[in-house]
Amino acid sequence: EDQVTQSPEALRLQEGESSSLNCSYTVSGLRGLFWYRQDPGKGPEFLFTLYSAGEEKEKERLKATLTKKESFLHITAPKPEDSATYLCAGFNQAGTALIFGKGTTLSVSS
Amino acid sequence: DGGITQSPKYLFRKEGQNVTLSCEQNLNHDAMYWYRQDPGQGLRLIYYSQIVNDFQKGDIAEGYSVSREKKESFPLTVTSAQKNPTAFYLCASTAGDSYEQYFGPGTRLTVT
Repeated sequence: EDQVTQSPEALRLQEGESSSLNCSYTVSGLRGLFWYRQDPGKGPEFLFTLYSAGEEKEKERLKATLTKKESFLHITAPKPEDSATYLCAGFNQAGTALIFGKGTTLSVSS
Repeated sequence: DGGITQSPKYLFRKEGQNVTLSCEQNLNHDAMYWYRQDPGQGLRLIYYSQIVNDFQKGDIAEGYSVSREKKESFPLTVTSAQKNPTAFYLCASTAGDSYEQYFGPGTRLTVT
């Protein structure tokens, strides 16, 4: 069964304290690994798509990487405005819809 | 400004009533999706449609119905058969040549 698991469930950081969020996946014939940011009460906002192992993408303080078994979202020198829930999702070989993890809720305090 | 709109933002209904959630997109995307989000759980797929007049059940379709009469519209009806309808509902769409899904702002449905 296709599955996406995110860890940790929650992460508290001080402003400027870099860290990483993990996304492990067992998705048959992965066609893409996606990262989204979701603020409370809002729809997920698309961040990155990674298609093959070794691929990396960056956006401001965020950097996403992909291996054959997992993806990491690295947050460098986070700010309070980076506080949100980060969702990871995989698109399987059938290509019908995304399979989502439960998310990591990040809180950054000043 | 292209995007996905969902209305209303908040919806309250009495148990036993059917209710329809609206989803409209002006991105000219072919595929559209409905997800349900509950606290502490990942997004779960209810229904999806890859072309007009065609749609497929997702993982949790029981108690829901959809239609796709127009490319830009994909309304979701939550019927009285849905046992736990209170949730946050999200609509998404994807261009035909991409797997990147873009989401609407969501509708929070409360049934009492």
